[in-house]
Amino acid sequence: DAGVTQSPTHLIKTRGQQVTLRCSPKSGHDTVSWYQQALGQGPQFIFQYYEEEERQRGNFPDRFSGHQFPNYSSELNVNALLLGDSALYLCASSPGQLYNEQFFGPGTRLTVL
Amino acid sequence: QQPVQSPQAVILREGEDAVINCSSSKALYSVHWYRQKHGEAPVFLMILLKGGEQKGHDKISASFNEKKQQSSLYLTASQLSYSGTYFCGTETGNDMRFGAGTRLTVKP
Repeated sequence: DAGVTQSPTHLIKTRGQQVTLRCSPKSGHDTVSWYQQALGQGPQFIFQYYEEEERQRGNFPDRFSGHQFPNYSSELNVNALLLGDSALYLCASSPGQLYNEQFFGPGTRLTVL
Repeated sequence: QQPVQSPQAVILREGEDAVINCSSSKALYSVHWYRQKHGEAPVFLMILLKGGEQKGHDKISASFNEKKQQSSLYLTASQLSYSGTYFCGTETGNDMRFGAGTRLTVKP
């Protein structure tokens, strides 16, 4: 079992650009959550997808959007990048609709210049 | 609103005990505890459900006081491998919120 995988590992963008991050959940998991983690801070919840629907959303602007595919993999899209979007983006998967044990991927380090 | 963790940092000698606290201003469905080592993803430690259930994992245990919306993580006879940043995550039914973390350093 490969666990949760994310791509790319690192990404450098400039302000105003758009970015897409990808996540493949652990085998058997159908729920995917996305988090933003700034340096020295705890993960901040962006949103959660279950059965291809956005189930819950944190306090992030509409520039942050996502998608879940029938195979449960997921994408996070961020438009009109700001310097403040620089962070580690973590994807976590879990089984079922409720918050169970979450398995985190290694993350994508996004740098906005 | 994110939960508040205390202390922010703690340094221990191998074999010593530590307690990390987590409190929320909102009614909680559950509390999750994770440990993150530098440059790695957070790793799940345990979940505590509404009902005050206390759970343990090896020499790490935790409690959840539902009335006070507080949880504590207990690390007994700490090992070098316990070093890392510990996060509590609180679930309110609407989302999952993580605290700012407690940096634990265990020295030989």
